[in-house]
Amino acid sequence: DTGVSQNPRHKITKRGQNVTFRCDPISEHNRLYWYRQTLGQGPEFLTYFQNEAQLEKSRLLSDRFSAERPKGSFSTLEIQRTEQGDSAMYLCASSEILGEQYFGPGTRLTVT
Amino acid sequence: AQKVTQAQTEISVVEKEDVTLDCVYETRDTTYYLFWYKQPPSGELVFLIRRNSFDEQNEISGRYSWNFQKSTSSFNFTITASQVVDSAVYFCALSEAVGSARQLTFGSGTQLTVLP
Repeated sequence: DTGVSQNPRHKITKRGQNVTFRCDPISEHNRLYWYRQTLGQGPEFLTYFQNEAQLEKSRLLSDRFSAERPKGSFSTLEIQRTEQGDSAMYLCASSEILGEQYFGPGTRLTVT
Repeated sequence: AQKVTQAQTEISVVEKEDVTLDCVYETRDTTYYLFWYKQPPSGELVFLIRRNSFDEQNEISGRYSWNFQKSTSSFNFTITASQVVDSAVYFCALSEAVGSARQLTFGSGTQLTVLP
């Protein structure tokens, strides 16, 4: 069991650029979650998938954010026209349907 | 709406001392889950425990113990004989148990520093 992996681990981008992050969940997990964590705060829920279906999105997920999980395996989170306020750690977690969420190491985004 | 409050922002103890991390929650759900996660300096959140709202039995796992009191909406975490490796940010979290989403609502975390 290799755990949840995320790539890249760090991303520095200029304001206005688009960025895409990838999450590979634990292989047998049906559910995949995205969270955002800013400095000194706990993670905040963004969205989640059950298999390939995106079932819920937080109001934190503006129109500039889009997430996909094609074929119910890995997931991508894209941020278009990045803003400095998007600077944060983006965390991915996966779980079985009724199980605990296991988190990846996160992608730290810095928007300059 | 769900809310988790961890009033202790930072705690510093000397190795081998016992330390308790407080967690108070708010929810309108009658059934829910409570969690503790640990975030060491490496950044990866590590799952420690899940409790169902129906089960108020306290739990002990090695040097860790959890005290769940529904009457006061608290789910406190105690580390006995703390060690330097326990230094981390600890998060308490809450999720619904009946609905399908199960997303976690986290507190703001408590930074624990264990000094040698």
